[in-house]
Amino acid sequence: GAGVSQSPRYKVAKRGQDVALRCDPISGHVSLFWYQQALGQGPEFLTYFQNEAQLDKSGLPSDRFFAERPEGSVSTLKIQRTQQEDSAVYLCASSLPRPGQGVLVTNEKLFFGSGTQLSVL
Amino acid sequence: KNEVEQSPQNLTAQEGEFITINCSYSVGISALHWLQQHPGGGIVSLFMLSSGKKKHGRLIATINIQEKHSSLHITASHPRDSAVYICAVKFINGQNFVFGPGTRLSVLP
Repeated sequence: GAGVSQSPRYKVAKRGQDVALRCDPISGHVSLFWYQQALGQGPEFLTYFQNEAQLDKSGLPSDRFFAERPEGSVSTLKIQRTQQEDSAVYLCASSLPRPGQGVLVTNEKLFFGSGTQLSVL
Repeated sequence: KNEVEQSPQNLTAQEGEFITINCSYSVGISALHWLQQHPGGGIVSLFMLSSGKKKHGRLIATINIQEKHSSLHITASHPRDSAVYICAVKFINGQNFVFGPGTRLSVLP
């Protein structure tokens, strides 16, 4: 696609409900990042994929958060038993390494989706 | 600890003013991004730096690796520049990007 696509754009959930947030990165992008952005704050890292491998999930706030990217393209962030503190904008970003330099390179340009605004009531 | 700080937190300017937003970080980095986030959440990457200086239109970004500091300058500011500007870095010892808290810029006509 032309850009990183996230769905849904808005999600309202009742406390305790499970939610699934989808990210469609730019086709061919190897790296995929999930971030959580609370109101008035900068994005906070959640997890990182290199193709289908989840290389870093240190930012996931609890075991209620789970992310996958089974075929190395679309990614889903799942939040189980949602709590009010989970309310935030969830941002997805993807990047493509410069050819010939391997996957982890110094000059990755980041492309962001519009985010999913999650409100837990 | 890998940290990113920005200053000022909030900035109000009159149209036409020269604006500087600063970013400092704690340890060595491999890349630094300046991002623009408009109300509604969309984030656009403005610059990606690993050294020196870049210019695009009225925007200029500089980085001083030794001082662990980067600046974003906006010349002849315009109300449409009003947004949150975020510095994001990739530390040498990490794989993901760490974001600063952002600088909220309001340019008044």
